[in-house]
Amino acid sequence: DAKTTQPPSMDCAEGRAANLPCNHSTISGNEYVYWYRQIHSQGPQYIIHGLKNNETNEMASLIITEDRKSSTLILPHATLRDTAVYYCIVREASRLGAGNKLTFGGGTRVLVKP
Amino acid sequence: SAVISQKPSRDICQRGTSLTIQCQVDSQVTMMFWYRQQPGQSLTLIATANQGSEATYESGFVIDKFPISRPNLTFSTLTVSNMSPEDSSIYLCSVLLPPGVGNQPQHFGDGTRLSIL
Repeated sequence: DAKTTQPPSMDCAEGRAANLPCNHSTISGNEYVYWYRQIHSQGPQYIIHGLKNNETNEMASLIITEDRKSSTLILPHATLRDTAVYYCIVREASRLGAGNKLTFGGGTRVLVKP
Repeated sequence: SAVISQKPSRDICQRGTSLTIQCQVDSQVTMMFWYRQQPGQSLTLIATANQGSEATYESGFVIDKFPISRPNLTFSTLTVSNMSPEDSSIYLCSVLLPPGVGNQPQHFGDGTRLSIL
């Protein structure tokens, strides 16, 4: 079972920041938080991941609370092409094999509106 | 990242037949995985494709139904055997790039959309 909880859907305005929440209250100390998105008819696209510090790359920012029980993915300037299902996943990242399994939950269906 | 190509991209098959899906990566990878995405659902891991040995299957998936090969570090196949309409899904290949440890993310192909009549 997925260890994360996300809202099933949300709308965002084009050009505005989109803030996508994720709860992972049972996360363990060696588990990272990963974000993927799946645009219609495509495979999941990796966005960003983090352990406890906030992370930023060219696609998004990831804010992880100090207790690590929740996180927020921020798309700074949402465009229509950001419309997708966004998945928050926690995964142990210390070894090969079973630890690399990704368990997908239902994700958040994000619709960016003009 | 790597370029991950799946063939075919889509197919329509008759029940009772089998289809082999190919996953080709443009560079050597550490691990390869096969996922299934049923209509309107999220992704579920079928198995980990191990080079030179039998794949490791998740609960609910068996080798007779989903035989997997991985002859080298860049290629894997998934066969969906004796298909029924319930097998209509998107089948996705994902890879873990070298060095394959720590916190590296998996990368996905665009999947094979399979419909069974």
